[in-house]
Amino acid sequence: EIQLQESGPGLVKPSQSLSLTCSVTGYTITSGYDWSWIRKFPGNKMEWMGYISYSGSTNYNPSLKSRISITRDTSKNQFFLQLNSVTTEDTATYYCASGRSGFAYWGQGTLVTVSS
Amino acid sequence: DVVMTQTPVSLPVSLGGQASISCRSSQSLVHSNGNTYLHWYLQKPGQSPQLLIYRVSNRFSGVPDRFSGSGSGTDFTLKISRVEPEDLGDYYCLQSTHFPWTFGGGTKLELK
Repeated sequence: EIQLQESGPGLVKPSQSLSLTCSVTGYTITSGYDWSWIRKFPGNKMEWMGYISYSGSTNYNPSLKSRISITRDTSKNQFFLQLNSVTTEDTATYYCASGRSGFAYWGQGTLVTVSS
Repeated sequence: DVVMTQTPVSLPVSLGGQASISCRSSQSLVHSNGNTYLHWYLQKPGQSPQLLIYRVSNRFSGVPDRFSGSGSGTDFTLKISRVEPEDLGDYYCLQSTHFPWTFGGGTKLELK
């Protein structure tokens, strides 16, 4: 069974970087699928942020411009989100997710609050 | 970006009744490979979203046949028949045909 779990700080100061880890068990991230980050804002809007593919290529939402980076550590079967220069607008619940067609597998989500 | 317009925002239903949610896209979701990447999710309170329907009409593993998806091009529908208490929550459509992938605004299914 594929399982994903997010981890990282729940509070980040404005202008700093948000860094999250998604740990994957039950499947090797280099075997297949795209591995995405998705966030849900207060008020329920959902946004796909980007993914890293099983081959290591990345694809980002242009709305995040040059602030986002998704990387991975294949030895630990983890992938990571870094979002730079955060503002209060980046306060959201962050999910990692994956699947063949549509997101069949989701982490439990982690709330990140941007506040001084 | 492809705008996904999901209606209604709120849908009161009676247990045992039927619900229908619409998702319309600002452009066709038919991919150059011929597939249509429109998916439906349910997020129950306190849980992560769960995949119900992928590629318009395919029920994901374990999803009851009370859930059905249909549509083509820019107009898609999720129908839930014989609504049960565990069906209550927020429903979202997602298109993954065009980058960036985009979600509908959500529909809250609640008891009448």
